[in-house]
Amino acid sequence: DVKVTQSSRYLVKRTGEKVFLECVQDMDHENMFWYRQDPGLGLRLIYFSYDVKMKEKGDIPEGYSVSREKKERFSLILESASTNQTSMYLCASSPTRTLVYEQYFGPGTRLTVT
Amino acid sequence: AQSVTQPDIHITVSEGASLELRCNYSYGATPYLFWYVQSPGQGLQLLLKYFSGDTLVQGIKGFEAEFKRSQSSFNLRKPSVHWSDAAEYFCALSDGGYNKLIFGAGTRLAVHP
Repeated sequence: DVKVTQSSRYLVKRTGEKVFLECVQDMDHENMFWYRQDPGLGLRLIYFSYDVKMKEKGDIPEGYSVSREKKERFSLILESASTNQTSMYLCASSPTRTLVYEQYFGPGTRLTVT
Repeated sequence: AQSVTQPDIHITVSEGASLELRCNYSYGATPYLFWYVQSPGQGLQLLLKYFSGDTLVQGIKGFEAEFKRSQSSFNLRKPSVHWSDAAEYFCALSDGGYNKLIFGAGTRLAVHP
């Protein structure tokens, strides 16, 4: 089974802190994604990566950055956390950029910024 | 612009009753469509997908969905709901580029005993 893991299930940070959310997949997938999930808004794509060191902005990249130094790991960085970044963050991966495939999701990290 | 609309935010059904969750999409070509389920505190799990071919798609946990091009719809159905089906359901569309997905806002399903 594909396994996507996220470093924390729950995280509480203070305004202005730098926050790292880590995601690891064990199936050698090319594509990795970061979403935030908010009630009534569904999932919105923050960033995605289709290869090591490659990244593309999604629909809501402001206030976030990402890093992909190894194929299996994709990190989301909040440079200076703000209260409006309190949300559920979901990481996903998919096998290939050339064929349409479903995405496989991690369990999510619920981040609270106080 | 591509979009997915789930008109029902909350739905409540009785256990054993039938279920239909609505999904409408806006896309210029033949879409790739997905239904995911999210149980409380969990990530998303794929229920079923439509890429091409037979417009009635069978998925896991007894769910099925029907693609109707004329109505731009991909509704999810289950003939008899179980209490364990209580969850949030998301319809999603892929434009085929890098497997990016566009999600609907979700429908939260409650099941009464």
